Amino acid sequence: DTAVSQTPKYLVTQMGNDKSIKCEQNLGHDTMYWYKQDSKKFLKIMFSYNNKELIINETVPNRFSPKSPDKAHLNLHINSLELGDSAVYFCASSPWDGGSKTIYFGEGSWLTVV
Amino acid sequence: AQKITQTQPGMFVQEKEAVTLDCTYDTSDQSYGLFWYKQPSSGEMIFLIYQGSYDEQNATEGRYSLNFQKARKSANLVISASQLGDSAMYFCAMREDQTGANNLFFGTGTRLTVIP
Repeated sequence: DTAVSQTPKYLVTQMGNDKSIKCEQNLGHDTMYWYKQDSKKFLKIMFSYNNKELIINETVPNRFSPKSPDKAHLNLHINSLELGDSAVYFCASSPWDGGSKTIYFGEGSWLTVV
Repeated sequence: AQKITQTQPGMFVQEKEAVTLDCTYDTSDQSYGLFWYKQPSSGEMIFLIYQGSYDEQNATEGRYSLNFQKARKSANLVISASQLGDSAMYFCAMREDQTGANNLFFGTGTRLTVIP
């Protein structure tokens, strides 16, 4: 069973559209994250949720909104997509124990905006 | 300032040889964690090894070991007996515990190529 799963893996869409990427983890972890990897392979935190409470919100555009229906899911909604949003988006999860020794990543979702 | 610095954009190693990938970090926290991840061409992020700032011994996981030098703020990854399947991007990352969050700060990565 995949520990952290994201769908879709590939998404090609037009500018201005609204899209969502879903993420589910079956590890029983308390914290989930979204990371963005740009074309230069640089990974940066976007959001994290701990027990359905947003605890990090980096300076990302408000077109991006995380939504967590329950502890096992953290979906990423993106409104009015722009060309610069093209990237790989990684979902991740970890236990909330004050210092996780592992943070598990999903396989990534490749978003291309045309 | 960059929290994680990886100065080697690319590295080559002969199969069966050992290779060291460099990583230095910058933090004022006393408690932090250091991670290495592998990203093969298929794109997934694979956790390799973890070192806590208070761990006295260097972490080891199979062929991976982390050369932790706290005073120099370095956390180099050593891969022994390189295999062709080790060819990938390698990312060093840090978690700072004082912020109360678990998010990771990543370096820019090193692309390792293993030569047969």
